Amino acid sequence: GAVVSQHPSWVICKSGTSVKIECRSLDFQATTMFWYRQFPKQSLMLMATSNEGSKATYEQGVEKDKFLINHASLTLSTLTVTSAHPEDSSFYICSAEFGRETQYFGPGTRLLVL
Amino acid sequence: GEDVEQSLFLSVREGDSSVINCTYTDSSSTYLYWYKQEPGAGLQLLTYIFSNMDMKQDQRLTVLLNKKDKHLSLRIADTQTGDSAIYFCAESGAGNQFYFGTGTSLTVIP
Repeated sequence: GAVVSQHPSWVICKSGTSVKIECRSLDFQATTMFWYRQFPKQSLMLMATSNEGSKATYEQGVEKDKFLINHASLTLSTLTVTSAHPEDSSFYICSAEFGRETQYFGPGTRLLVL
Repeated sequence: GEDVEQSLFLSVREGDSSVINCTYTDSSSTYLYWYKQEPGAGLQLLTYIFSNMDMKQDQRLTVLLNKKDKHLSLRIADTQTGDSAIYFCAESGAGNQFYFGTGTSLTVIP
C-alpha cells in the first residue's frame, strides 16, 4: 500500500528555536497533504491543508505565522514550528491524499520543547 | 470543524464482540472512516464506508451507518488482545479534510 514517511520521528529542542518536520509520500504523488496535531490521550486536530504550489489553508485558531507550511513538490510537505515553546510539545501527524476516498497517514513526529 | 463524538472507553473480554459507536454532525459527509492507533504509533486505516451504504463487512470488522441519525459503529468480532488500541472514527468534509472523533480506548481483557 501507499506509504507516507515523516522525519524526524522524535525531536527535542530548546524553547525559542524552530523545528522543521518533513512529510513525504514515498510511492505516490499527493497534490494535497494535511497536518494534524494530537495532544496526549486526545484526538487529532486538523491544523492545516497543504496544497502543492499554493498557500496552505489553516483551520480556525491555528497561527499561520507560528506553523509554517511549505508544499514545494508533489511528494513533500514541511511543517516548521517557529520559535517553539513548551506548549507546542505534541505529536504531529501528516497525511497525504490518495484518491478521493482515503488519506494515508505518516507515523508521526513527537516534539518536546524544553 | 465538524463535531464527531465517541465514548472514551470500552472494555471487553477476549473472544467477545466489541462495538464502538460514533456520532457526527456533518450531513454532507461523503466517506466515514475507522482508524486504529496503537500506543506511540501513527494511524492505521481499518476500513471506510461510502455514505450511500449502510453496512460494510471486512473479515472481523463490520461497519454500520445510520445516515438519518448520523451514527456510525464498528463491530469487531472475536476480539483479541491485539485489538487493544484507540479507535478513531473520522468523516471527510467537502475539501477532503478529515475530522476525527475523540477516540475510544478499547481494552481487551484476557
